[in-house]
Amino acid sequence: GAVVSQHPSWVICKSGTSVKIECRSLDFQATTMFWYRQFPKQSLMLMATSNEGSKATYEQGVEKDKFLINHASLTLSTLTVTSAHPEDSSFYICSASQPRGRYTEAFFGQGTRLTVV
Amino acid sequence: GESVGLHLPTLSVQEGDNSIINCAYSNSASDYFIWYKQESGKGPQFIIDIRSNMDKRQGQRVTVLLNKTVKHLSLQIAATQPGDSAVYFCAENTGSQGNLIFGKGTKLSVKP
Repeated sequence: GAVVSQHPSWVICKSGTSVKIECRSLDFQATTMFWYRQFPKQSLMLMATSNEGSKATYEQGVEKDKFLINHASLTLSTLTVTSAHPEDSSFYICSASQPRGRYTEAFFGQGTRLTVV
Repeated sequence: GESVGLHLPTLSVQEGDNSIINCAYSNSASDYFIWYKQESGKGPQFIIDIRSNMDKRQGQRVTVLLNKTVKHLSLQIAATQPGDSAVYFCAENTGSQGNLIFGKGTKLSVKP
């Protein structure tokens, strides 16, 4: 299957600073990428849909000014957590979709563990 | 979509036994379903998928059953191995772009 690379795999930052997470599709072009957030022992919650060359679509309750998404190319989307606070500590996962005939298949990155201290 | 619980349900099985993991989905219009395996600290890994025009699909040691009448999915793992220990999520595709809605997840624990 296709490969999606996420970087960094973990990051520790001080409260009030910003952190950028990269999501790359390595062997295919992804017009659409997705960002998920996962708290311990919980399921993945979709945060936003990132479309190349246009503004991201955020899910209800997700602050677009806090979680900045940029999808400048067909192989790269970035999520920037601005002015991070301890409650932003979580596991962030991206996925990139690739059409498979009538359906669309999603490939996931390995996730980024963010700890805000 | 489904609400997210604070504690994952756990299924504990003996090595070599068969495992059955269940999932209820929310959107009757969803037409594509996927099972993912997630190991600790990693992203979800694709296991098997099924389209809504099917009610059963088999892979290597895994079988997915779909009951659209009651909006229920199940994942059957034959001869469960310690390496199968992980959290398993079902997901439904609700849009043409591939955005997925994930179920609550089940933690599978395999006893040697």
